[in-house]
Amino acid sequence: EPEVTQTPSHQVTQMGQEVILRCVPISNHLYFYWYRQILGQKVEFLVSFYNNEISEKSEIFDDQFSVERPDGSNFTLKIRSTKLEDSAMYFCASTLGNTEAFFGQGTRLTVV
Amino acid sequence: GENVEQHPSTLSVQEGDSAVIKCTYSDSASNYFPWYKQELGKGPQLIIDIRSNVGEKKDQRIAVTLNKTAKHFSLHITETQPEDSAVYFCAASGRQDSSYKLIFGSGTRLLVRP
Repeated sequence: EPEVTQTPSHQVTQMGQEVILRCVPISNHLYFYWYRQILGQKVEFLVSFYNNEISEKSEIFDDQFSVERPDGSNFTLKIRSTKLEDSAMYFCASTLGNTEAFFGQGTRLTVV
Repeated sequence: GENVEQHPSTLSVQEGDSAVIKCTYSDSASNYFPWYKQELGKGPQLIIDIRSNVGEKKDQRIAVTLNKTAKHFSLHITETQPEDSAVYFCAASGRQDSSYKLIFGSGTRLLVRP
C-alpha cells in the first residue's frame, strides 16, 4: 500500500534554531500539505502546495515558515527561528485531488 | 471562517454496543467529508468518507450519514470492539484555490470497555 513517509520521527531543537522537516509524498499525488497537531488538540491546516507553489496557507503559516519541493520526491517544511509554541506533531499529507488524504506518521517537534 | 464542530469529546461504550459521533460544518461549499482514526503516536488514517451527492455510506461495521441541508454528518460504529478505541476526527473539504485542505473537528476519544 502506498504511504507517506516523514523524517525525522522526533526532533528536539533549541529556541531560535532553524528546523527542516522532511516528507516523501505518494509518488503520483499532485497536492501536498502540512498540518500541525499540538498535544491533545485537533489537527490544524498549515499550508497546501500544488504545481510547485503554495496554493493556500493558514494564519499559523507566517513568515517563519516555508515549504519547498526541491526535487521530484521530497516536500519540506522549514521553520526559520523556532519558538516554544512551535512544539507539536507535524503531519505531511498528499492527495490526487479532492480524494483521500494520506498522512505520514508525523514528526514530533520539541522546542526547548 | 470555516469551522467543524464535533461531539462528544469523549465517549465510553461497552464492547458490542454502538457508538455515534456527530459533526457540523459551516462552509456550504464543502463537498467531501472524511473520518479519520488516530491511534497514539500515529498519523490519522482514513476509515470512511462521504461526498455531498450521497446521504449514507456503509462499510461493514462503520457507516456515515450526511445531511447537507442541516450541514450535519455522523459516524456510526456498530458492534464495537476494544481495538476500536482511538481518537476519531471528522473533517470537511472543498476546493478552494487549488487546495483541498481538510478542516478537522476537535476529535472524539472513544473507549470501548471489554
